Amino acid sequence: EVQLVESGGGLVQPGGSLRLSCSASGFTFSSYGMHWVRQAPGKGLEYVSAISSDGISTHYVDSVKGRFTISRDNFKNTLYLQMSSLRDEDTAVYYCVKAHLRYFVLFDLWGQGTLVTVSS
Amino acid sequence: DIHMTQSPSTLSASVGDRVTITCRASQSVSSWLAWYQQKPGEAPKLLIYKASSLESGVPSRFSGSGSGTEFTLTISSLQPDDFATYYCQQYDNYWGTFGQGTKVEIK
Repeated sequence: EVQLVESGGGLVQPGGSLRLSCSASGFTFSSYGMHWVRQAPGKGLEYVSAISSDGISTHYVDSVKGRFTISRDNFKNTLYLQMSSLRDEDTAVYYCVKAHLRYFVLFDLWGQGTLVTVSS
Repeated sequence: DIHMTQSPSTLSASVGDRVTITCRASQSVSSWLAWYQQKPGEAPKLLIYKASSLESGVPSRFSGSGSGTEFTLTISSLQPDDFATYYCQQYDNYWGTFGQGTKVEIK
């Protein structure tokens, strides 16, 4: 079955750190760009970060630049998001998303999401 | 940055109704426009890409049109399973910005 399964979310204090993981199965993970998209409670979708299929090229939205690091292990079929210096406004469901083969920013497979709550 | 604006924000409709949602881009995105459906508690699901191409497995009652800066998503006959929030997304530039969403509610 083609799927993405996130893990690692939870409650963390402001200024703390958390690492999200996303396990991919059912497709050739190393052939696809991957992304993280988040959704604050009751809000819309916000693009967070992207990584190329080979892991060489990474990109971040300005609000997380310098605090979040995206990475991948193509041998373990796993995508990561290391989050540090977390802020209240980072509270959201974080979705792991697979890029379309032809269009890097078109999202054709989403994980179920993992909730990150930043609160004291 | 390209800004995407959807209208309306909320739409009340009945089963069987024809429903149209509009998405406007702050600058031309050619046909690089996608539509996603999100049901409560679930992840978004790709419905339409390249403005009018139906993703595999999506019912034919969904259709998309438009190019440049103005796009529409049409549901020809609303079904109970279609009550959800719909998002447009441009993928013309690197950031793939989303619209704010349109919630389709039961009238």
